[in-house]
Amino acid sequence: GESVGLHLPTLSVQEGDNSIINCAYSNSASDYFIWYKQESGKGPQFIIDIRSNMDKRQGQRVTVLLNKTVKHLSLQIAATQPGDSAVYFCAETTTGTASKLTFGTGTRLQVTL
Amino acid sequence: SAVISQKPSRDICQRGTSLTIQCQVDSQVTMMFWYRQQPGQSLTLIATANQGSEATYESGFVIDKFPISRPNLTFSTLTVSNMSPEDSSIYLCSVSGEGRPHEQYFGPGTRLTVT
Repeated sequence: GESVGLHLPTLSVQEGDNSIINCAYSNSASDYFIWYKQESGKGPQFIIDIRSNMDKRQGQRVTVLLNKTVKHLSLQIAATQPGDSAVYFCAETTTGTASKLTFGTGTRLQVTL
Repeated sequence: SAVISQKPSRDICQRGTSLTIQCQVDSQVTMMFWYRQQPGQSLTLIATANQGSEATYESGFVIDKFPISRPNLTFSTLTVSNMSPEDSSIYLCSVSGEGRPHEQYFGPGTRLTVT
């Protein structure tokens, strides 16, 4: 079936640097792409989303880029902080699927001091 | 955003027994979901909990193994039946935002260990 996956299982970044987390997806019919952050022992937390008719969206310290040509999604975190250490998941959903999310495999972001 | 609580937060159960997990939301929501997250892995949707009707299960999940109740718009339960060690996972409920169904809010999860 359709799937959403990630390139790197673990990303180590120095505090203050920018982080880039990547995700590949295969369902060209997806309407929304979403990034979630999951800290240890907690449920996933919504970070930012992007609709399929956009190629860039910015939030507070985060930017999501969507390249539909190569079916690639990325999350950029500016000035990475220790509190950004977590597992990040991309997810996708399609209108008409009753809001069902398909999650990628996850990338662990480790922020070093 | 909705505030979601789950009970229990964790449990250790013997194989062959059943555990019912509760999910409570602080506001009425239309869509509620149950996910499983196996150790070190991503989230897999088990089912959509429908208020007033039977849950909608994803491929690989069946009602006999994971019966779900949704008696009202703020509460749902998931039962893991006849447990085996392979059922050891984190079980999470989520709700979707009104008007933004793709933006889901998750509970803290229930960590289940089956011995």
